[in-house]
Amino acid sequence: AQTVTQSQPEMSVQEAETVTLSCTYDTSESDYYLFWYKQPPSRQMILVIRQEAYKQQNATENRFSVNFQKAAKSFSLKISDSQLGDAAMYFCAYRRGWRSQGNLIFGKGTKLSVKP
Amino acid sequence: DTGVSQDPRHKITKRGQNVTFRCDPISEHNRLYWYRQTLGQGPEFLTYFQNEAQLEKSRLLSDRFSAERPKGSFSTLEIQRTEQGDSAMYLCASHRVGAKNIQYFGAGTRLSVL
Repeated sequence: AQTVTQSQPEMSVQEAETVTLSCTYDTSESDYYLFWYKQPPSRQMILVIRQEAYKQQNATENRFSVNFQKAAKSFSLKISDSQLGDAAMYFCAYRRGWRSQGNLIFGKGTKLSVKP
Repeated sequence: DTGVSQDPRHKITKRGQNVTFRCDPISEHNRLYWYRQTLGQGPEFLTYFQNEAQLEKSRLLSDRFSAERPKGSFSTLEIQRTEQGDSAMYLCASHRVGAKNIQYFGAGTRLSVL
């Protein structure tokens, strides 16, 4: 069975600084997708960034980028120029290939605090 | 798109009562998922539908849980004879097959069983 591990329950960053959230996963499959979702307090979960396993190039979305190391099964999220609105729970998630049922497998999350 | 809508946002019930939650997915999204999230944990998969067909159920979904998606539109999740261990946030997500496999989540229904 696939598992996702986030080893940092809490992280803190100074506004305008850069922070990296860690995620590792375990799978025997070669076709899969990885995601980072953000869940602000009492608000819905929203997608931050998505990575397809067959693509070697790391995904980037504005201030958010990933470091995808397929052999090491590592998928970290880097947030540059951190803003107060980035404060939230961040979940790393895995999804099997497109032929699968498609449910997401989540890590336990990392709570990110941003200090002004 | 108006987004995924869930109702109610909060539900407080007494142990042993039945509760029902509703999820309205983004229109034309043919897949709909239910997840459960307890405090300090990531969401865990419960079940999913492709159109009106329920195709997979997690072992987390006991016999007291039932889900439906009539006509492939909205979905309901019912819990019968609620237990204190059912207290959690119930999340609904939808996506359109082929659309980058991105699931869009609702705000969830927070259930408290007293």
